[in-house]
Formats: sequence, structure tokens, C-alpha cells
Amino acid sequence: DTAVSQTPKYLVTQMGNDKSIKCEQNLGHDTMYWYKQDSKKFLKIMFSYNNKELIINETVPNRFSPKSPDKAHLNLHINSLELGDSAVYFCASSQDGANTEAFFGQGTRLTVV
Amino acid sequence: AQKVTQAQTEISVVEKEDVTLDCVYETRDTTYYLFWYKQPPSGELVFLIRRNSFDEQNEISGRYSWNFQKSTSSFNFTITASQVVDSAVYFCALSEEGGSNYKLTFGKGTLLTVNP
Repeated sequence: DTAVSQTPKYLVTQMGNDKSIKCEQNLGHDTMYWYKQDSKKFLKIMFSYNNKELIINETVPNRFSPKSPDKAHLNLHINSLELGDSAVYFCASSQDGANTEAFFGQGTRLTVV
Repeated sequence: AQKVTQAQTEISVVEKEDVTLDCVYETRDTTYYLFWYKQPPSGELVFLIRRNSFDEQNEISGRYSWNFQKSTSSFNFTITASQVVDSAVYFCALSEEGGSNYKLTFGKGTLLTVNP
């Protein structure tokens, strides 16, 4: 069983479209995250949720809207996609906050054309 | 503000060489946590180690070892007798107690290439 799974793995879409990435964890963790990895491999936090509550929104454009229907799921919806949104998006979870090790999904490679 | 610096952008070694990946961090907290992650060419992020700021003991796990020195704010990672399968991007990361507890701050990563 995959601990943190996100779908889809690849996403190619046109500018202006709206898309969603889904994430589920079966580890029973309280905290979930979205990280963005750019073309230079730099990893940066986007959002953190703890027990379904938004804890961190790291100056992400409001075109990005996370939703956590329950502790095991954290989805990411992106409106009006732009070329600069092309990146790899990683979902992750940890037991309680970032003091414990985070387990990452396999990543979603988003390409906006 | 927290910051992680991995000054080595790329390292290339020949198999069986030892290699050390450097990590220097900045934080104002007295309680913090340090991590190393591996990202092989397949793209997933693999957790390697977690260290808290109160535990300066060095750790060894097989061919991997970590040297944590608070005096120099460094948490370096050594691979002994490197193998081709060690080729990956390695990230050092930091989390703090308090308000920044819910995020990892990553360094920019070091691309390690181990040649046969």
C-alpha cells in the first residue's frame, strides 16, 4: 500500500484552464502539506494543514486553493493556470507538525502550455 | 528566519570514493529539527534521517553517517564507499518549534553523481 499517493502523476494542460491534484495518506498522520519543486529542483512549502485546518499559506497566489475534506486527504485546485505554474507538486504528510519526518507522494509534474 | 545552505551544487565521484555533503543552517530557535532527504532520478523524495537540536550525537547507518555540530550550525552527510545507486539529489532541511513548526525549509540540494 502506498503511504502517500497523489494523482495524477503527470498533467499537461493549456494556459487558463483549471485543474486539480488529489492527495491521500493512509498513515494516520495529522499534518499534510503541499510543496512545489521548480525547474531548478528548489523545494518550497505552499500549504500546511493540521487536522483539516489551514496552518500555513506561504504567500501562494489565490488561484491555488487547497481543500482538506478529512485528515487523510488534501487536494489542490488551481484556477487559471499560467506558464509559471509548471513545476512538480509534492504532497506530504507527517505525524504532527514538521518536527517529525514527512513522507512524500511521488509528485505530480504539471506542464502548462 | 530559518535558512538552509547547501553550498555544493554538484559533486561527481568515482565509485568507492567517500563523499561528504555539506549543510549549514540558520535559525533563531533553540529547539529545531534537521533532516536529510534523497531524490533519486525517479523523482520521489526519500527520508533519510531526522535530528533534533538537543542530540548532537553523530549517527551511522550502514554506509551513511551524519555529523551534527551546533557550534558551526552544520549537519553534514557522508557516504562511505559510494555506489552508483547513491546518485541522486540530496536535500538538507530544517523545521523549527513554534509558529514555523508546520513546514520544512529546504536547502537547494546537492546533485551527487557516482560514476562507475
